Amino acid sequence: AQKVTQAQTEISVVEKEDVTLDCVYETRDTTYYLFWYKQPPSGELVFLIRRNSFDEQNEISGRYSWNFQKSTSSFNFTITASQVVDSAVYFCALSVGDSNYQLIWGAGTKLIIKP
Amino acid sequence: DADVTQTPRNRITKTGKRIMLECSQTKGHDRMYWYRQDPGLGLRLIYYSFDVKDINKGEISDGYSVSRQAQAKFSLSLESAIPNQTALYFCATSEQGGTEAFFGQGTRLTVV
Repeated sequence: AQKVTQAQTEISVVEKEDVTLDCVYETRDTTYYLFWYKQPPSGELVFLIRRNSFDEQNEISGRYSWNFQKSTSSFNFTITASQVVDSAVYFCALSVGDSNYQLIWGAGTKLIIKP
Repeated sequence: DADVTQTPRNRITKTGKRIMLECSQTKGHDRMYWYRQDPGLGLRLIYYSFDVKDINKGEISDGYSVSRQAQAKFSLSLESAIPNQTALYFCATSEQGGTEAFFGQGTRLTVV
């Protein structure tokens, strides 16, 4: 069975601090995809990144970076120099072939950035 | 205009009423999905469709039905709404398995 765990229910930091959101996944499939989405207070879901299981290269996009480690089944997300606008709920999700590539979602981490 | 449009955006309905949530997309994708979001539970899949003639139940399909009227349209119905169906509902599309999903703005449904 597939599963995504985001153990951090809520994180609160002061603006300009760095913050890491954890994501641990479970799957027996060798081909899978991992995603991060952002849900700001307005409620829409914003795609952040997609990574396939064969590409463990870390990625950086501005203040955002992602660390994919197959050895620990983790796909963690770091925001550097956080800003108030980063306040949102962040979801990690998994997609695997033997479930028709449905997205399996973590419960989300609510990130609060205080000014 | 948004690539994925949901109507209505907000709805309050009474227990026992039938209600339909509509979704249309301009992405040209074959795959469409309906999700439900409850606080602390992430998103859960209700139904999904890989083309007009292919509709599948998701994790929590009981109490719901869907209709894929065209490639661009996928509707979700609650046959007899109950209060624990109060939630935020999202429609989504994707080009193929494993690719990015595009979401509508969500429909906030309250059953009283």
